[in-house]
Amino acid sequence: DVKVTQSSRYLVKRTGEKVFLECVQDMDHENMFWYRQDPGLGLRLIYFSYDVKMKEKGDIPEGYSVSREKKERFSLILESASTNQTSMYLCASDRGRGYEQFFGPGTRLTVL
Amino acid sequence: GENVEQHPSTLSVQEGDSAVIKCTYSDSASNYFPWYKQELGKGPQLIIDIRSNVGEKKDQRIAVTLNKTAKHFSLHITETQPEDSAVYFCAAMQYDMRFGAGTRLTVKP
Repeated sequence: DVKVTQSSRYLVKRTGEKVFLECVQDMDHENMFWYRQDPGLGLRLIYFSYDVKMKEKGDIPEGYSVSREKKERFSLILESASTNQTSMYLCASDRGRGYEQFFGPGTRLTVL
Repeated sequence: GENVEQHPSTLSVQEGDSAVIKCTYSDSASNYFPWYKQELGKGPQLIIDIRSNVGEKKDQRIAVTLNKTAKHFSLHITETQPEDSAVYFCAAMQYDMRFGAGTRLTVKP
């Protein structure tokens, strides 16, 4: 059974903390994505990666960075967490443009 | 860039009725239109998709129609069941996937 896993289901952090969200896929997919999901706004793309050590900004990259050191792992980093980054974060992967994206279960992050 | 609008934001139907969710997109070059279902506590999961060279696609109780001229596409669920209750997202893609805001469907038994 193909799978995208995320390191935490729920996370509570304080303003100013550095936060790491980890994502691992076991499908040997080239492409990996980080989305943010907020009510009424759908899924908004933060960053994506088409290859190891490669990253591209999505629609809302401000306040975030990413790391992809291995093909199966894509990390989202909040350098200094702020309350407006409280949200659901979804990781996804696919084998190419125009193919199904497989999503992880999400990490609900609360920044106090 | 691509902009996807989805309506309605909430939809409540009786079990056995049909449900229709509609989306419009702005970029005429978009050529792939998937629909995702997100159940409580889970990530979105693909339920059906359609490409721009096809006008309609059906899979059991769900179907998707695409009108390229009008730039809109719709999800149709027939004979709804309580387990169809979820949030549904449409998306449009040429280079990058753009999602609609989502529709919360509730099927009342």
